[in-house]
Amino acid sequence: ETGVTQTPRHLVMGMTNKKSLKCEQHLGHNAMYWYKQSAKKPLELMFVYSLEERVENNSVPSRFSPECPNSSHLFLHLHTLQPEDSALYLCASSQYWDSSYEQYFGPGTRLTVT
Amino acid sequence: RKEVEQDPGPFNVPEGATVAFNCTYSNSASQSFFWYRQDCRKEPKLLMSVYSSGNEDGRFTAQLNRASQYISLLIRDSKLSDSATYLCVVNMASSNTGKLIFGQGTTLQVKP
Repeated sequence: ETGVTQTPRHLVMGMTNKKSLKCEQHLGHNAMYWYKQSAKKPLELMFVYSLEERVENNSVPSRFSPECPNSSHLFLHLHTLQPEDSALYLCASSQYWDSSYEQYFGPGTRLTVT
Repeated sequence: RKEVEQDPGPFNVPEGATVAFNCTYSNSASQSFFWYRQDCRKEPKLLMSVYSSGNEDGRFTAQLNRASQYISLLIRDSKLSDSATYLCVVNMASSNTGKLIFGQGTTLQVKP
């Protein structure tokens, strides 16, 4: 596989469920990101990991919990979500945590909270 | 004021037309500027970076105006395949970290 992959591509979960989103990058990058894209709203940065250390937590509710076990993998653990959390969740990676490096996005997980 | 502001459109243009999008940003300390393209139900992809002196890539020209805090994208000789949403992206930290702020996007529809 090449680039940035995400699983699952679609997820429907109830408000009391616990689920996890997975992201894997095959580019040898050192920085990974989680973004949220809601309908009619801009992409919102949620979390950033650089060299497996969290360097940005953009005031995200604690019902979203990221995990970065190594530089190639990133998870987003979800629990007790709200319907307004329904959105497209995009993972991205870049060579370094530096804006001069292009961010490559995965295809996203479309999440619906019922 | 929004950190990055774009006219959402849609811009409906015929094939072969020239179309221009503008984007304004609020933080005068921003260092890095980009245009990303997002096709319907797909992920964003980098179209081009925007440099202080302006830059061109084929039919696409990007300009930066620091004094007025806006960037622009000009598309010449529009193709049907140019139909997409164009995202204006600015880094918000003066230290040039990877924290990017995305605009809402401008939708372009190129008609035959």
